[in-house]
Amino acid sequence: GENVEQHPSTLSVQEGDSAVIKCTYSDSASNYFPWYKQELGKRPQLIIDIRSNVGEKKDQRIAVTLNKTAKHFSLHITETQPEDSAVYFCAASKGTYKYIFGTGTRLKVLA
Amino acid sequence: DADVTQTPRNRITKTGKRIMLECSQTKGHDRMYWYRQDPGLGLRLIYYSFDVKDINKGEISDGYSVSRQAQAKFSLSLESAIPNQTALYFCATSDPLAESQETQYFGPGTRLLVL
Repeated sequence: GENVEQHPSTLSVQEGDSAVIKCTYSDSASNYFPWYKQELGKRPQLIIDIRSNVGEKKDQRIAVTLNKTAKHFSLHITETQPEDSAVYFCAASKGTYKYIFGTGTRLKVLA
Repeated sequence: DADVTQTPRNRITKTGKRIMLECSQTKGHDRMYWYRQDPGLGLRLIYYSFDVKDINKGEISDGYSVSRQAQAKFSLSLESAIPNQTALYFCATSDPLAESQETQYFGPGTRLLVL
């Protein structure tokens, strides 16, 4: 069935360093890839997304890259700050309604 | 996002009890979803609804049922709760007419413990 694998499950970085989280999807028909950030005790919130007709998208310190051939996409956070500490989820969708989520990455930014 | 609310926020119940979780939204979105979140498993889709007359099963619908009472309300029921339904439950909405029609907006979650 459809599957999204996410790595690593935990990631610790020093403040100011970069963090990269990778996801691989199984369904080649997937065409929309959002990233959600979930702070402790809070709801998931969309931080960036990318569609299959684009290879890269950037929003300030956050960027997402997509490799359709390899069926993987990555979240890049530069100049990390303590407030970036959270759980990050990737997802893949091939329509406008059904997300398959990755299992999450717990990011810790060490001051 | 205060436009999507869930009640209750926390609930403890016993095995075999019937329980209902409610979701309301003021965003005017047609599409609504129920997910459960378990440690290490991410979020998994239970049911989704495109409008009041359209309800569909997700990945893990067994043991759950839903009701779409109005565009703004989508309820999730556990007819006979069991301990492995202990989880964090999220409601979400999306707007098929929006520029970003795929984006889903989540409620604050309901933490359910089944003893």
